[in-house]
This record gives sequence, C-alpha cells and structure tokens, in this order.
Amino acid sequence: EAGVAQSPRYKIIEKRQSVAFWCNPISGHATLYWYQQILGQGPKLLIQFQNNGVVDDSQLPKDRFSAERLKGVDSTLKIQPAKLEDSAVYLCASSPGRAGGYNEQFFGPGTRLTVL
Amino acid sequence: DAKTTQPNSMESNEEEPVHLPCNHSTISGTDYIHWYRQLPSQGPEYVIHGLTSNVNNRMASLAIAEDRKSSTLILHRATLRDAAVYYCILARNDMRFGAGTRLTVKP
Repeated sequence: EAGVAQSPRYKIIEKRQSVAFWCNPISGHATLYWYQQILGQGPKLLIQFQNNGVVDDSQLPKDRFSAERLKGVDSTLKIQPAKLEDSAVYLCASSPGRAGGYNEQFFGPGTRLTVL
Repeated sequence: DAKTTQPNSMESNEEEPVHLPCNHSTISGTDYIHWYRQLPSQGPEYVIHGLTSNVNNRMASLAIAEDRKSSTLILHRATLRDAAVYYCILARNDMRFGAGTRLTVKP
C-alpha cells in the first residue's frame, strides 16, 4: 500500500515570496491533516479536512496560510507571503474514516521549508 | 485540550525493555491515548493506541492505568532503530502533540 506522498521535499524561498505544498493521502482515507513542525518541537495541527470539508482550521494563520482539498483527495497548502518564522517542516497525514481519536494517522515525509 | 507530561529524555541499553511513561491527569472519557514516534528527518510513525484496556501489537505494548490518568509504552527489546522521539497524545477529534521523550539506545 502506498503511503502519504508529499512534494516538494525541500523548498528555499525568500521572505515575502509565495510557496505551495502538495499532499496525496493514502487511497480511500477520508480525513487529511496538515501540521507545522518547527525545529525541536512537536507537530502543530494547522488544518483538518473530512473529505473536502474543513473540520478544524482554528490554528491556521488565515492572513497568510490557505489550504484546499478539492474532490476530497489531494490537498495543497499555500503560504502567501512567507515570513522568516514560517521556516519549518510541513507534514501531511491522513486517516481512514471520520475524524476521531480512534483512528490512527499516517504521516508523509514532510516538506522542509526554509525562508531566507 | 487535555495535555500530557513526558520526560524530556530517556536512555536504554540495546536488547533491554524500555518503559516510557506518560501522565495525563486531565484525560476525559472520550480521549484515546495514542503513541507515535519520530525518527530523524522522517514524519511521525504510529506505534499504538488504546482507550481503557491494555493493548499489544507487533511494535509495542500499551499499559493504561485503571484511572486512565497515566500510561506506559513498553518496548520489549530495544534496538538501535528504536532511537527516536516518542510522543504520547490524547486524541478526541484531533491530536495535539507535545515535545515528546527523546529515547537514546546504547549498544
């Protein structure tokens, strides 16, 4: 079974530029998550989708971050414009079924973003 | 959100059992206890989860206290490949990661 795919794996941009990350979850997984992991910290949930609807985006900085999951499969996360403090690894995860504590999450390898 | 408390770091010898503790005194009845681990430069990897009863799988065992205010992840025979950051998480509708426990395995 193929795992969660993410691209690109690495990205270096200058502050105030825009960047987009792509995620392809495990086939059939209804729930998709985006996390931000700053060096030395645990992952922080940014947004959670159930199929193509947003379940929770309370921790997403909506002035600069946006995410979509068209057709309930692939998802993109965009930052526009980027700030230095956005330097982090952006992780995508998916889980089967409805969002809930009983489901395990499967993580992709992440995209490492460096903002100069 | 209910929080968990874990030691910052632990050390173990190779081929010995490892008990990783986690306190979650504010756990609610619908919170599942999840454990994930993260190897360097990789995304977190699911280890095990449970609600009330102890759980076993091929990777580890999860022992949950009767009052559910603490739990212990047990690796039965640590290998060098088990060196990672281990996260104990209370999950209801989503998961909120803490800083985790960095496990070092000595040969």
